Amino acid sequence: EVQLVESGGGLVKPGGSLRLSCAASGFAFSDCHMNWFRLAPGKGLEWVSSISAGSNDIRYAHSVKGRFTVSRDNGKNSMYLQINSLKDDDTAMYYCAREAPGWARDYWGRGTLVTVSS
Amino acid sequence: QSALTQPPSASGSPGQSVTISCTGTSSDIGGYDYVSWYQLHPGKAPKLLISEVSKRPSGVPDRFSGSKSGNTASLTVSGLQAEDEADYYCCSHAGSNYLYFGGGTKLTVL
Repeated sequence: EVQLVESGGGLVKPGGSLRLSCAASGFAFSDCHMNWFRLAPGKGLEWVSSISAGSNDIRYAHSVKGRFTVSRDNGKNSMYLQINSLKDDDTAMYYCAREAPGWARDYWGRGTLVTVSS
Repeated sequence: QSALTQPPSASGSPGQSVTISCTGTSSDIGGYDYVSWYQLHPGKAPKLLISEVSKRPSGVPDRFSGSKSGNTASLTVSGLQAEDEADYYCCSHAGSNYLYFGGGTKLTVL
């Protein structure tokens, strides 16, 4: 069974940092492109970042570029999102998802909540 | 403001059909057959319902169907059931801008 489990969220002050993790199981993680998304209160889903299977193709949404860094460890079946210089607008549930053919994302985790507040 | 436009709400009675629209531009929906739809229940992992405009992944009931005409994609839920009450999001590939989502539609089963 494919499983994705996010962790690392929490309450952080503006300007602070967090490192989110996504633990994958039930599939060949090292063969799959992976993504981060977020859902902010009262807003729609937003793509945040993607990383290719071999980490050679990495992309970010304009809203997070320069502040967020995605990485992965295929030996640990895990993906990470380092988020720095946090702003109020970054408050959201953060999800990891597996990329599927046709630009869809076929498996998602339940998310980890990041709250930015002073 | 989301790049793709969805109605904020939709509703129907059990057994009825409901269609949710998703409007974009020729740079996203109109330019690619890469529209997907996701169902979000509170506290659960988002679920892929439709990929590539109209493809249904294994395990998704055939009550869910997708289509596209020009710059507008649609998700139809037939034979509404109580468990269909959720938020629905459309998504489209947008070339170098990567991925755009709609603002989400809250479906209420009356």
